[in-house]
Amino acid sequence: GNSVTQMEGPVTLSEEAFLTINCTYTATGYPSLFWYVQYPGEGLQLLLKATKADDKGSNKGFEATYRKETTSFHLEKGSVQVSDSAVYFCALSKVSGGYNKLIFGAGTRLAVHP
Amino acid sequence: ETGVTQSPTHLIKTRGQQVTLRCSSQSGHNTVSWYQQALGQGPQFIFQYYREEENGRGNFPPRFSGLQFPNYSSELNVNALELDDSALYLCASSYDPPGSSGGISYEQYFGPGTRLTVT
Repeated sequence: GNSVTQMEGPVTLSEEAFLTINCTYTATGYPSLFWYVQYPGEGLQLLLKATKADDKGSNKGFEATYRKETTSFHLEKGSVQVSDSAVYFCALSKVSGGYNKLIFGAGTRLAVHP
Repeated sequence: ETGVTQSPTHLIKTRGQQVTLRCSSQSGHNTVSWYQQALGQGPQFIFQYYREEENGRGNFPPRFSGLQFPNYSSELNVNALELDDSALYLCASSYDPPGSSGGISYEQYFGPGTRLTVT
C-alpha cells in the first residue's frame, strides 16, 4: 500500500544552519507530494507541494524536489530561523477508490536555537 | 476569504460517552475530510464527504460517523468513546468541480483541530 517514511526527530539546529529532513514514499503510479508544518498548538499548514516527477516545490525559503527514481521528497532550507521550530510532515496524495486522501509520515520535530 | 474553522477547541469526555465535533469549510470549498492525529504521530484519514455523502473511508470502525450539510459544513460523531480515541481531530476542506465524483482535488486546507481527551 501507499506509505510515507520520514527521518525521526528531533532535529536540533542553531540559527542560520542548513536543514535537511529526509522523506521517502511508497506508492503505485504518480502521487502528489506535500510538506505540511504544524506549529505548537495549531493545525497543519501546507508548506509546499509537487505534483509530478522533477517538480520543485518552494515556499518561505524551503524547497523539496520530487525524485521519482529515488521515491524521495527531501525538505531543505539554507538558513533556518528560530521561528521555523515546528513539526514537519511529509505526505502523499493519490486518487484511489474514487477519492483523494492524504497519507502522512510520522512527523519530524525541528528545534532551532539562537 | 474565511479559512477552515473547528469547534470546540478542546473537549473532555468519559469513556462510553458520545461526542460531536464541528467543522466549517473554507469559503468556496465543497469537500470535507476528517483526520485523527494521535500524540506524536501523523494524521490518519477517517473519512471524506462530498455532496453530503461519504465519499471514502479509512480504517476506522462504524462508531465513527459523519455528516455534511448543504452549506458544506460537517460534523464528526464518535459513539462509545474509548481511551484510545484521545487525539487531535483535524478537518480539511478542498474544492472539487461540479459534476466530478468528488475527492479529486489534492489540495486540502486544514483547520486548527479539536483536542479530544477521553478519561
